[in-house]
Parts: sequence; structure tokens; C-alpha cells
Amino acid sequence: AQSVTQLDSQVPVFEEAPVELRCNYSSSVSVYLFWYVQYPNQGLQLLLKYLSGSTLVKGINGFEAEFNKSQTSFHLRKPSVHISDTAEYFCAVIAWGSGNTGKLIFGQGTTLQVKP
Amino acid sequence: DSGVTQTPKHLITATGQRVTLRCSPRSGDLSVYWYQQSLDQGLQFLIQYYNGEERAKGNILERFSAQQFPDLHSELNLSSLELGDSALYFCASSETSGAPYEQYFGPGTRLTVT
Repeated sequence: AQSVTQLDSQVPVFEEAPVELRCNYSSSVSVYLFWYVQYPNQGLQLLLKYLSGSTLVKGINGFEAEFNKSQTSFHLRKPSVHISDTAEYFCAVIAWGSGNTGKLIFGQGTTLQVKP
Repeated sequence: DSGVTQTPKHLITATGQRVTLRCSPRSGDLSVYWYQQSLDQGLQFLIQYYNGEERAKGNILERFSAQQFPDLHSELNLSSLELGDSALYFCASSETSGAPYEQYFGPGTRLTVT
């Protein structure tokens, strides 16, 4: 079975500091990887996705992530965070094997708290 | 704005009752997914419909059911509600079912069972 583990439930960081949110996945088949952000009382917005090609993917709001197949990781990074980045971040995977349906399997989420 | 709409935004009901959540996908999207977000279970896939037909089932209780209509909107029916059904229910849509296209999420319906 496929699973996603977000290694930190909360990440406090000061404004303008760099941040990394960690994500590891487990799957025996090909995977497609996503990061979503959820601002308070809102739905999920796609930050970035890895489907194929370059393992370094860039997304919206200055975020980027690197797919590492050998480490089965897809960590999210931003070189300098803003107060407005305070939100819940979800790593998700679509496992592309038999019975492909495109359903997303989510990690438990990481709360990014940016302090002034 | 993702283009996916969900109604109602909030719903408060009592245990044992039945409710219907409605979702309208983005224009042109054929696939609709339902997810449940709760504090103890996190974000979980419930069920997927593609062009009116059920395509996949996840951790959906037997008390829950869904359907997708010819105009592609979808409804999630929750019956014999329990306190533990209180959660945020998201609908998402994508162009198709056979490829990992981006899923666009609606704003969610917050269900509170008292």
C-alpha cells in the first residue's frame, strides 16, 4: 500500500529565514507527487507537482521541491519565507499502478508558523 | 478561485440525521473526487466518479453514498450521522481519470454533528 509521511507536524521559522518541509513516500509503483497548501478556513491550493522530467520543480509563491527517487523523498523548500506563508502544507502522491484512478494519498500535514 | 463550487459552506445537524453535500466541478472536468478532512484521520479519499460512473472507492463508510449526475455535478449523501462524522468535506475535480492531472479543490463543506 502507498503511504506518505510528513516528518514534522509543526515548523516554526522566523520571517525571511529559509525553510524545508520534509516528505517521504512509500510505493511499489510509479508515483506522481504534489504539494498543496491550505490557508485557514480555505480549500487546498496546488503549490507544485512532479510528474516526470527534471527532479527539481518550481511552484507558486517561490516554493520549490526536489524529487529523490533513491531516498523516496519530495521535500519542499523556500529560501525566504513571509508571514503570509503561514499555513498548513500537505504532501500527496498518486500511485500509478494497476487500477489507476488518480486518487490522492495525503500526508498528515505540516503547519508552517512564520514569526515576525 | 478554483472553479469548483460546493454547497452548503457550513452544515450543523443532529446525530441520526441525513444530509446531502453538493459539488459542481470545473467546466469541462469529467472526474469528481470526494475527500474527508478530520483532526484524527487527516485528509482521506472517499470516492471518485468519472462521467457519471463510480471509478474508485476509498475509506467510505456504508452509511455514505455518492452519485454524479448527467450535468456532472455530484452529491455526497451522509446518513445516520454520528458525532465522528463531523469534518470538512472537500470535492475536487480533474479533466480525466486516466492520468495524474491536477485536481482542483473546492472550498469545502464543514459538517458539524451535534
